[in-house]
Amino acid sequence: NAGVTQTPKFQVLKTGQSMTLQCAQDMNHEYMSWYRQDPGMGLRLIHYSVGAGITDQGEVPNGYNVSRSTTEDFPLRLLSAAPSQTSVYFCASSYSGLGTERAYEQYFGPGTRLTVT
Amino acid sequence: SQQGEEDPQALSIQEGENATMNCSYKTSINNLQWYRQNSGRGLVHLILIRSNEREKHSGRLRVTLDTSKKSSSLLITASRAADTASYFCAPSTMNTGFQKLVFGTGTRLLVSP
Repeated sequence: NAGVTQTPKFQVLKTGQSMTLQCAQDMNHEYMSWYRQDPGMGLRLIHYSVGAGITDQGEVPNGYNVSRSTTEDFPLRLLSAAPSQTSVYFCASSYSGLGTERAYEQYFGPGTRLTVT
Repeated sequence: SQQGEEDPQALSIQEGENATMNCSYKTSINNLQWYRQNSGRGLVHLILIRSNEREKHSGRLRVTLDTSKKSSSLLITASRAADTASYFCAPSTMNTGFQKLVFGTGTRLLVSP
């Protein structure tokens, strides 16, 4: 299994540009999520999905869109990039099985480092 | 969801020594997880402890949970250079469903040979 994969690894955007960060998992996990990690701030939840067709907002959703058309993929769209969105973005997935410790563990991708100038 | 706060912010030890890092949180929880992040990589789940557990072991890791003090500790015994990483705690109030984890800024552990 490849686990959780993210592309691209690095990206530089100009203010106002849009782009999509890709995330895919091959573990058949129902839950997927996006976090951003900023220095001195820890990881913050942007959006999450509990299954295909179902998404919800996390702690810092403004400026980002998500959709989940398949179990495997959960892309994150930046609609109009701003310097405040310079960050490292992590996608994660987890299993939804009740009563098992597997249900709590989140598997993280390697991250996408985004710079907005 | 709530955030855990790790302490200390940074810890520097020699190989073979034990490393202890702490986590505090503010409200009642259902479970607490610890994650490790190597430089430039994603987080990796280490261990989960439920609110009705006081101590849990996994290899060289020992986690304790004191719900009365709203705190947890992670002990890494006989540390190795490969343990150099940032460590994060993630308390959760949720018993089932998607765990909305809120990570603190972590403890940066440096293990010198």
